[in-house]
Amino acid sequence: DAGITQSPRHKVTETGTPVTLRCHQTENHRYMYWYRQDPGHGLRLIHYSYGVKDTDKGEVSDGYSVSRSKTEDFLLTLESATSSQTSVYFCAMGGSYNEQFFGPGTRLTVL
Amino acid sequence: AQTVTQSQPEMSVQEAETVTLSCTYDTSESDYYLFWYKQPPSRQMILVIRQEAYKQQNATENRFSVNFQKAAKSFSLKISDSQLGDAAMYFCAYWVPNAGGTSYGKLTFGQGTILTVHP
Repeated sequence: DAGITQSPRHKVTETGTPVTLRCHQTENHRYMYWYRQDPGHGLRLIHYSYGVKDTDKGEVSDGYSVSRSKTEDFLLTLESATSSQTSVYFCAMGGSYNEQFFGPGTRLTVL
Repeated sequence: AQTVTQSQPEMSVQEAETVTLSCTYDTSESDYYLFWYKQPPSRQMILVIRQEAYKQQNATENRFSVNFQKAAKSFSLKISDSQLGDAAMYFCAYWVPNAGGTSYGKLTFGQGTILTVHP
């Protein structure tokens, strides 16, 4: 969806380094989400936000933190990246009919 | 816990033919929504079609339609007149509002079905 972008689109980092992924939306949606996609698991929710400074954990939140200081930005941080966090990360925003619209994804490789 | 099962890891279809992708889900909720998302090689997740559980009429979006069987907890996607651009991974997803006391609706995905379209 054109109203939601992610940066960077690709990142390679080393184990133990901090990593921050950014999600930016221009649709003024209240709800935003971070997912990770791994083979055989579909998409799994990491964290979500239901407003500025309001966030909560999803099903695979260990090792991740998030922040939302503005409606349009939702940041995902890996405080100390591990190889198990190598994945494709998707940000999403809530739609008007309960559907979610997804960003283009970020491919993260942790060496 | 809600689960979504796509029993077909891979499917193939000839161009211009019809193909049906299967999805079943497990829930005790009465209010929920079902979605099919398409993920082409570009990785972009694209919403294909949406079905509200309270609606008996099956949703249709151009060449895409669903067969929603609420009692059987089945939600299959039919693609008519298949095109090369339909080749992608397709995900079935289930959404329930305020699941488990959380302040948001939980979206649960199946594992996906890879669709190949042969010219």
